[in-house]
Amino acid sequence: ELKVEQNPLFLSMQEGKNYTIYCNYSTTSDRLYWYRQDPGKSLESLFVLLSNGAVKQEGRLMASLDTKARLSTLHITAAVHDLSATYFCAVDGGSARQLTFGSGTQLTVLP
Amino acid sequence: NAGVTQTPKFRILKIGQSMTLQCTQDMNHNYMYWYRQDPGMGLKLIYYSVGAGITDKGEVPNGYNVSRSTTEDFPLRLELAAPSQTSVYFCASSPRLAGGNEQFFGPGTRLTVL
Repeated sequence: ELKVEQNPLFLSMQEGKNYTIYCNYSTTSDRLYWYRQDPGKSLESLFVLLSNGAVKQEGRLMASLDTKARLSTLHITAAVHDLSATYFCAVDGGSARQLTFGSGTQLTVLP
Repeated sequence: NAGVTQTPKFRILKIGQSMTLQCTQDMNHNYMYWYRQDPGMGLKLIYYSVGAGITDKGEVPNGYNVSRSTTEDFPLRLELAAPSQTSVYFCASSPRLAGGNEQFFGPGTRLTVL
């Protein structure tokens, strides 16, 4: 059974600081996705990582995938308040393209 | 394109009542999914479909049923609602691509069972 663990689960950081969210998973996969969810809203796709070593960047967020370590990171550079949200990673387990989601990281960026 | 739409947005049910959550997508995606999200948690897969006429159970199917008569629609039926089914329900769809399974989510249905 594929398990996906994110840490930290809760993160408070000050504006302008850098931080990294980690996503570990338990079985072989080379397809990983990052989503953002604002309170009371749906999930918005942020990044699609489809191979070992994949790196994607959008604004102050950068995601990477190391399939050998079964690890993805979401790096936040110079955080701003608008980045406050819950971030989920999801791993494609292969069967019928099902995704297994992590528990999410609730990020709060403080002024 | 409207993407993935869900109705209703909110619903309160009494224990033992039944209801159908509607999901429609206009992107011609073959794959569709139903998830539930409990407060402060990630998403758990209830049922999924790889095409019209084909459905299968996910991680937490008990108490739910689905059907897929068309590519566009994937309704989720709750029979005999229980308080444990209080949750936010998300429908998602995905194109049938050789690589990748980026899923596109609807706005969700917030269900309370009292």
